[in-house]
Amino acid sequence: GDSVTQMEGPVTLSEEAFLTINCTYTATGYPSLFWYVQYPGEGLQLLLKATKADDKGSNKGFEATYRKETTSFHLEKGSVQVSDSAVYFCALKKTSGSRLTFGEGTQLTVNP
Amino acid sequence: KAGVTQTPRYLIKTRGQQVTLSCSPISGHRSVSWYQQTPGQGLQFLFEYFSETQRNKGNFPGRFSGRQFSNSRSEMNVSTLELGDSALYLCASSLEGTGRNGYTFGSGTRLTVV
Repeated sequence: GDSVTQMEGPVTLSEEAFLTINCTYTATGYPSLFWYVQYPGEGLQLLLKATKADDKGSNKGFEATYRKETTSFHLEKGSVQVSDSAVYFCALKKTSGSRLTFGEGTQLTVNP
Repeated sequence: KAGVTQTPRYLIKTRGQQVTLSCSPISGHRSVSWYQQTPGQGLQFLFEYFSETQRNKGNFPGRFSGRQFSNSRSEMNVSTLELGDSALYLCASSLEGTGRNGYTFGSGTRLTVV
């Protein structure tokens, strides 16, 4: 079945460091891919998305490129801030069907 | 515009009881999905409703049920609560029903079963 695998966490960085959170997926066809972020005590917020191969999603300095050949959708940010501390979830949605399949989440802590 | 509203935010129930959670989607959104989030299992899909019809269902026992009203508001019901049902229950809505552009999530209902 469909699945999403994220790099193991937690990840701890200093402010202004470069961030990469790896995400790979297993699915047939061409799913849509998403990154969601969850702040403490809150629900999920859509961070960015890509709906076809080679698409680059971007938002608030975060970027991720849909790589069909490596079935990956790695999240990157050039300079993280303390306010980026949260749990990040990679997710996919098949073209047919409505459910999101999530990865296990990666806890990011950014220290000043 | 208002986001996805879930009520209540917190709930404590006793094993064996039943519970109903409510979700009001963004105005105009016709698709509502429910997810369960636990530390052990992560985020798991429960079911999705579109125009009052259940379109998709996850792998949960029949104790978990839901419905959607004509105004797109949705309720989720869990009967005969078990300790393992303690979780954050998240509702998400989508405008076009395909979710291709992502879903907007509510802040969730934290259910504790004692």
